[in-house]
Amino acid sequence: AQSVTQLDSHVSVSEGTPVLLRCNYSSSYSPSLFWYVQHPNKGLQLLLKYTSAATLVKGINGFEAEFKKSETSFHLTKPSAHMSDAAEYFCVVTDSGNTGKLIFGQGTTLQVKP
Amino acid sequence: DSGVTQTPKHLITATGQRVTLRCSPRSGDLSVYWYQQSLDQGLQFLIQYYNGEERAKGNILERFSAQQFPDLHSELNLSSLELGDSALYFCASSVAPLLAGGQDTQYFGPGTRLTVL
Repeated sequence: AQSVTQLDSHVSVSEGTPVLLRCNYSSSYSPSLFWYVQHPNKGLQLLLKYTSAATLVKGINGFEAEFKKSETSFHLTKPSAHMSDAAEYFCVVTDSGNTGKLIFGQGTTLQVKP
Repeated sequence: DSGVTQTPKHLITATGQRVTLRCSPRSGDLSVYWYQQSLDQGLQFLIQYYNGEERAKGNILERFSAQQFPDLHSELNLSSLELGDSALYFCASSVAPLLAGGQDTQYFGPGTRLTVL
């Protein structure tokens, strides 16, 4: 069965410093992987997605993620954090089978300090 | 704005009651998904419909049911509500599940926050 593990429940960075949110996945096939962001009292917004075209995926707001099959990882990075990046981030994998069902990690709360 | 709309935004009700949550997918999307977000369970898939037909089921309780209508909007019905059903319920839509070219991306609505007292 497919699963994702977000290695940190909470990450705190200073504004202007790099962001690293870690995600490992488990899948018996070539998955699609996503990062979604949820700002307080808001819905889920797609940051980026990997669908086997390129291992380095660029998303919105300066975020990017690298798919590493050998490490079964899909870590999210950003060179310089902004206060508006403070939110909950979810690493997501598609389930096997022809449904498109999404399996969510437990989430990482990103705190950005001034 | 994702293009997915959900009503109502907030719902407060009592235990034992029944509520209906409504979702309108993005224009052109045929597939609708329902998810529940709670503090203890995180984000969990409930059920999926594609072009009016049930496609997949997740951890959906028997007290819950859903349907997708010919105009492609969907409703999630929650009955005999319990305190533990309090959660944020999201609807998402996509063109179709697992199409080639990355068209399986799901776009989420703003959610309906259900509070059961």
